[in-house]
Amino acid sequence: EAGVVQSPRYKIIEKKQPVAFWCNPISGHNTLYWYLQNLGQGPELLIRYENEEAVDDSQLPKDRFSAERLKGVDSTLKIQPAELGDSAVYLCASSLDGGLHNEQFFGPGTRLTVL
Amino acid sequence: AQSVTQLDSQVPVFEEAPVELRCNYSSSVSVYLFWYVQYPNQGLQLLLKYLSGSTLVKGINGFEAEFNKSQTSFHLRKPSVHISDTAEYFCAVTGGGNKLTFGTGTQLKVEL
Repeated sequence: EAGVVQSPRYKIIEKKQPVAFWCNPISGHNTLYWYLQNLGQGPELLIRYENEEAVDDSQLPKDRFSAERLKGVDSTLKIQPAELGDSAVYLCASSLDGGLHNEQFFGPGTRLTVL
Repeated sequence: AQSVTQLDSQVPVFEEAPVELRCNYSSSVSVYLFWYVQYPNQGLQLLLKYLSGSTLVKGINGFEAEFNKSQTSFHLRKPSVHISDTAEYFCAVTGGGNKLTFGTGTQLKVEL
């Protein structure tokens, strides 16, 4: 069974440019998460989807970040415009549902470098 | 609010020696506790989790952890480490915040 797929794996852009990350969760998983992982830190939740509905986006910087999960399957996270401080790894995860006891399965992440 | 503290940022250990990675948490409600492992350039993988019941939890790759409510701890242990255990280990908690909160991670480096 395929795991969580993310692309691209690496992205280098100049500041003020837009960038987008794509995630395809495990088939049948209704809940999808986007996390931000800074160097030397643990992942921090940006947004959580239950099917196509964003149920927790309180940590998403909405002035420059946006996300969508059309049809409740794959998802895209966008930054426009990117800033130097956005350099980090962006992780996508999925779980069967939003139950706190459920294991979250993580993708390999997209490493973003903003120059 | 909930939080996780991993006091050791790096733990060096020789192969076949035992290891303990420390994790303390703070939460005003009952919690679920998790340990994840992250190998270089890979996503996080679940090692084990505590939901309820027995306080000693066994996970994959020979790891185990013990939930101690009075000390609000969930330390990870392995009796004999292998070079392939070299990775970053993250403790995480869910509780009243309805989300998974991670610690800052502990880099385990196994040396020959």
